[in-house]
Amino acid sequence: NAGVTQTPKFRVLKTGQSMTLLCAQDMNHEYMYWYRQDPGMGLRLIHYSVGEGTTAKGEVPDGYNVSRLKKQNFLLGLESAAPSQTSVYFCASMRYNEQFFGPGTRLTVL
Amino acid sequence: GQQVMQIPQYQHVQEGEDFTTYCNSSTTLSNIQWYKQRPGGHPVFLIQLVKSGEVKKQKRLTFQFGEAKKNSSLHITATQTTDVGTYFCAGDYNQGGKLIFGQGTELSVKP
Repeated sequence: NAGVTQTPKFRVLKTGQSMTLLCAQDMNHEYMYWYRQDPGMGLRLIHYSVGEGTTAKGEVPDGYNVSRLKKQNFLLGLESAAPSQTSVYFCASMRYNEQFFGPGTRLTVL
Repeated sequence: GQQVMQIPQYQHVQEGEDFTTYCNSSTTLSNIQWYKQRPGGHPVFLIQLVKSGEVKKQKRLTFQFGEAKKNSSLHITATQTTDVGTYFCAGDYNQGGKLIFGQGTELSVKP
């Protein structure tokens, strides 16, 4: 039982490049989330999903897209990376109002 | 929109001293959760408070939910070096699973 896993752990991009972050959970949870964490800003919700095939915008969705084609996977895409997207990205899944977080992806955009 | 304010941002204590962090919402919460993030780690769920005036304890940690369900606090008695990390509250406004996190309180403990 791996819980919530995230791929990759680290990534450096140049401005304008695209990439996809993968989140996978093996707990059969319906709800999944993508957050970004910046110093002094806490965790800010980017997008979330309440079930397979559904997605919804969070607090800071601009510049990101998501997909939930399979229940266990939640993908976060950056179409054209900007330096302002340098951050640590956390994925989480939820059951009974308890969120389980992945280890995070540290992304740097130069 | 909904916002959860958390204070203080930083707290430095001597081992054995007490520590408290506070969260405040401008509107009524459905429930509030608390998470702990160790340095370099990911947030880990501590507890959820649902009822007005609720008080829950986990060993040296005491969690309270205000009577109006707009504020909450986490109190640690006699801090230890293992308590080091950032403590976040997260407010649920009954919006289909969305949580609004406070900015967090970073606790450092000097042995």
